[in-house]
Amino acid sequence: DQQVKQNSPSLSVQEGRISILNCDYTNSMFDYFLWYKKYPAEGPTFLISISSIKDKNEDGRFTVFLNKSAKHLSLHIVPSQPGDSAVYFCAATTNRDDKIIFGKGTRLHILP
Amino acid sequence: GAVVSQHPSWVICKSGTSVKIECRSLDFQATTMFWYRQFPKQSLMLMATSNEGSKATYEQGVEKDKFLINHASLTLSTLTVTSAHPEDSSFYICSASWSHGTSLGWQYFGPGTRLTVT
Repeated sequence: DQQVKQNSPSLSVQEGRISILNCDYTNSMFDYFLWYKKYPAEGPTFLISISSIKDKNEDGRFTVFLNKSAKHLSLHIVPSQPGDSAVYFCAATTNRDDKIIFGKGTRLHILP
Repeated sequence: GAVVSQHPSWVICKSGTSVKIECRSLDFQATTMFWYRQFPKQSLMLMATSNEGSKATYEQGVEKDKFLINHASLTLSTLTVTSAHPEDSSFYICSASWSHGTSLGWQYFGPGTRLTVT
């Protein structure tokens, strides 16, 4: 049973435009959500997070939106840059422990 | 940010042998370390959680006798793949955290270790 779902395995976006990566979750106990960026053969690097008490968190070009009623979150990257090409993992956790549950990832291609 | 290293970054071993992977937190004391495995085009799957000085807690379906985890100090955890087989070939990633669960401490990820069993 996949608790964190990223239904788009890949996404292509023109450089300079907005990239929107989506994520759905099923476990209503999740109260903290994270996005990680990963290059091939490297470990994930943390990008941005959001607590369940918020519906938006912004950090530079990255904004994460959370819709708790829909159990949906999204990562917006604007403007998209070539270096943003990577796999993006949505992840969730509860405050009860440190286990992070990852989605399968979405490969983002930024087109010149 | 905090730095987590893994060694080796890449290892090839013969079927039936054992391989040890080290995970070190370089600039902080990691009370908890996690081991993940990533299959091609798949998510990071948590294998086990280890707290310093205690036995690791394995996720369902992970063979504890095959994947031996030791967390002997606050800066070092090791994963030993015993009697490795080709199906154990994968990308193994560790992460380290300084929290003990009730407050979310950041997990910092290592760069990963590519294991190929021939």
